[in-house]
Amino acid sequence: EVQLVESGGGLVKPGGSLRLSCAASGFTFSSYSMNWVRQAPGKGLEWVSSISSSSSYIYYADSVKGRFTISRDNAKNSLYLQMNSLRAEDTAVYYCARDKSSGEPLFDYWGQGTLVTVSS
Amino acid sequence: AIRMTQSPSSFSASTGDRVTITCRASQGISSYLAWYQQKPGKAPKLLIYAASTLQSGVPSRFSGSGSGTDFTLTISCLQSEDFATYYCQQYYSYLPTTFGQGTKVEIK
Repeated sequence: EVQLVESGGGLVKPGGSLRLSCAASGFTFSSYSMNWVRQAPGKGLEWVSSISSSSSYIYYADSVKGRFTISRDNAKNSLYLQMNSLRAEDTAVYYCARDKSSGEPLFDYWGQGTLVTVSS
Repeated sequence: AIRMTQSPSSFSASTGDRVTITCRASQGISSYLAWYQQKPGKAPKLLIYAASTLQSGVPSRFSGSGSGTDFTLTISCLQSEDFATYYCQQYYSYLPTTFGQGTKVEIK
């Protein structure tokens, strides 16, 4: 069974940093591109970042470019999101999500999400 | 970025109803359109991709259609477990991929 479990969320002050993790199991993690998608409270879905299976290709939404860094460790079946210079508008539930197939940001499995709150 | 607009934003329906949700893209996206279902406090679930292909395990009462700029999600016979929020997503221009604002289906 495919499982994605996020961790690392919490309350952080504006300008602070946080590192999210996503532990994957039940599939060959190293064969899939992975993503972070966020959802502000009561709002819709926003794609944040993608990383290819071998980390060769990395993409960011304009809203987080230069502040967030996506990475992965295929030996540990883990995905990460380093978030720096956090702003109030980064407050959201952050989901990790698997690409259904290579080259298409179509998300067939999602984690349960981890809440990031940016507030003083 | 391609803007996705869903209509309506919310509506009420009864179990057994046939319901349709519309999604419009700000430019042509061929059939690179997916639909997700999200229940409160849960992660989204992929229902349909390539505009009309049902994801494995999704009940056949769900169907999708459309191409270019106009798409629809239809639930042929609404069940109690279908009350949720539905999102469309375009992945034609995947930098960035973008979602509609959501359509909440509530119990009448």
